[in-house]
This record gives sequence, structure tokens and C-alpha cells, in this order.
Amino acid sequence: DQQVKQNSPSLSVQEGRISILNCDYTNSMFDYFLWYKKYPAEGPTFLISISSIKDKNEDGRFTVFLNKSAKHLSLHIVPSQPGDSAVYFCAASERGTGNQFYFGTGTSLTVIP
Amino acid sequence: DTGVSQNPRHKITKRGQNVTFRCDPISEHNRLYWYRQTLGQGPEFLTYFQNEAQLEKSRLLSDRFSAERPKGSFSTLEIQRTEQGDSAMYLCASSLGQTYNSPLHFGNGTRLTVT
Repeated sequence: DQQVKQNSPSLSVQEGRISILNCDYTNSMFDYFLWYKKYPAEGPTFLISISSIKDKNEDGRFTVFLNKSAKHLSLHIVPSQPGDSAVYFCAASERGTGNQFYFGTGTSLTVIP
Repeated sequence: DTGVSQNPRHKITKRGQNVTFRCDPISEHNRLYWYRQTLGQGPEFLTYFQNEAQLEKSRLLSDRFSAERPKGSFSTLEIQRTEQGDSAMYLCASSLGQTYNSPLHFGNGTRLTVT
């Protein structure tokens, strides 16, 4: 049962434009959300996180938005750069039920120069 | 390099053989995780240690899999009697803290191919 879903396997964006990656979750008890970036032959690298007490968190070119009522989060990258081309995973965890992080299936972002 | 280190990077083995992977976490991190990733999927949780104690195991972790973290430092993941379905990327991650909301820091993984 996939509790974290990324329904877009791939996304292409022109350099300098905004990239928006989406993620949906089904478990309303999730209260900590993260985005990871993964290059080929490397492990995932932590990008940005957000707690459920917030609806937005920003770090440089990366902003994560959380809509708890819709059980939806998104990652905005502005402006997109060719080096951002990678697979992006969203992940979620729930307080008090252990220490699992549930990952989506990933979205492959290609930034076209 | 103070990141999470995994060895070997690649392992090819024949079905039925045993394999062992090693993970060296970031030195001050008290939590260590093993995940498995197959093609087109996100990482799937296998097991978790806090210091030397194995606190949680996924139902994905059959009795052919065993993980240890002696002295709360490095960890090993052993797979006995490997099957072709075990072919995957095995990722180790570590984190610091006593709360659930500490991000995981991953190693570059060990890619296992069972022939």
C-alpha cells in the first residue's frame, strides 16, 4: 500500500523557469515531510523538510508547500538550473509510530538549457 | 569525507550464496537505517537501529535477512541464501537526534545482483 504517491514520473522544464514537483499522501497522521534529490549511482540527498505545523518552508531556490487538508505537498524550484536535473523523492513520517520514512516513487526532473 | 559510507558499491552473486554489506554512518549519528530500492520505486524501509539496539524491522525483512550494529557504530546487513528477487540497491542512512523529525543522510548504496 503506497502511502506516499508521486503521480508524475517525469517533468521537463526550461532553464530559468519554475519546476513544480507534486506529492500526495494518504496517511493523515504524517506530520513531517521531506524532499530528497537523487543523481544516478548516488544515494538520495536531503533537500528540504517541513513540519505539519507549517504550510511553507523556503531554502534558497527551493520552497516546499504543504496543504494538509488536501494531503498534498509540492516542491518549487526557482529558477531551475541544469544541475537540478535528477530524480526527486518526497518522504513522510509519523510521530510516535516508529521511525519509518515512507518514500514516493520519484519524479525525474530534466532542466533543458 | 564525513558522509555515510557503504561497501561494497557493487556485488554480484549466484543464487543461494550469502552476502554481507557494511555501512559506516556519520560518526556522531545515533540512528542507522537500512532501505532497499528497486527500479522505478522509492526506497523501502527494512530496519532501524538506535545506537546498538535494533528497534524496528519491516515485514519485508524475511528471516534470510539479518542486520547488526555492534557497539552502535558500523552496521552490517547479511542476506542468506540469496534469491533473484533480492537484486536491488541497498541503502544505508543515518540521522542524529532523539526525535522522529531528523532528516536521513544516505550513503551511495550497495547494488546487489543475484544471478
